[in-house]
Amino acid sequence: EADIYQTPRYLVIGTGKKITLECSQTMGHDKMYWYQQDPGMELHLIHYSYGVNSTEKGDLSSESTVSRIRTEHFPLTLESARPSHTSQYLCASSGERETSYEQYFGPGTRLTVT
Amino acid sequence: AQKVTQAQTEISVVEKEDVTLDCVYETRDTTYYLFWYKQPPSGELVFLIRRNSFDEQNEISGRYSWNFQKSTSSFNFTITASQVVDSAVYFCALRIDTGRRALTFGSGTRLQVQP
Repeated sequence: EADIYQTPRYLVIGTGKKITLECSQTMGHDKMYWYQQDPGMELHLIHYSYGVNSTEKGDLSSESTVSRIRTEHFPLTLESARPSHTSQYLCASSGERETSYEQYFGPGTRLTVT
Repeated sequence: AQKVTQAQTEISVVEKEDVTLDCVYETRDTTYYLFWYKQPPSGELVFLIRRNSFDEQNEISGRYSWNFQKSTSSFNFTITASQVVDSAVYFCALRIDTGRRALTFGSGTRLQVQP
């Protein structure tokens, strides 16, 4: 069973607010990822990290930023939320060993910006 | 670049029917991994299976089976004797063995199993 956590699960917030979506894992995985899932179901990579102090942007352009100060923690921040940020955000992690190549996903944060 | 195509947007079956979800992938890499994930209405992504590019052996797990064919770049998923609890969105995904190792997802297939 995967040990990856996201908070909050649901968030409704007004335009212009700053928000941080939390993601943490207890598996000691080096690699962590953020995906954005549109209402139409497709998932797109928006950020990833190889390890501490390593972050890169993904395929889908995003106004969010991420940080990786600790191995287990990979928060995502939106400085000024807009309705176009309304989506589901999924955090994932994976290890290096053959037995842990699969990415384990957190439960997701469903964000609504009004 | 990698690409995963799930041509079936939505499938509706009646309980106990067998159903196959199609997945076709594209990659130039010779080493890659294929995955299936299930996303129930609650929203989390549940890992179902991983296959390596060098292992074309089909796999069966209970009512689930997977058919991996490199010749046609396909990795299809069959549910035998479907149940209402199988209703979910199913995603096929691809990961290569270099670089960021992130998943490239298909667009998903929504499966509705009617009682």
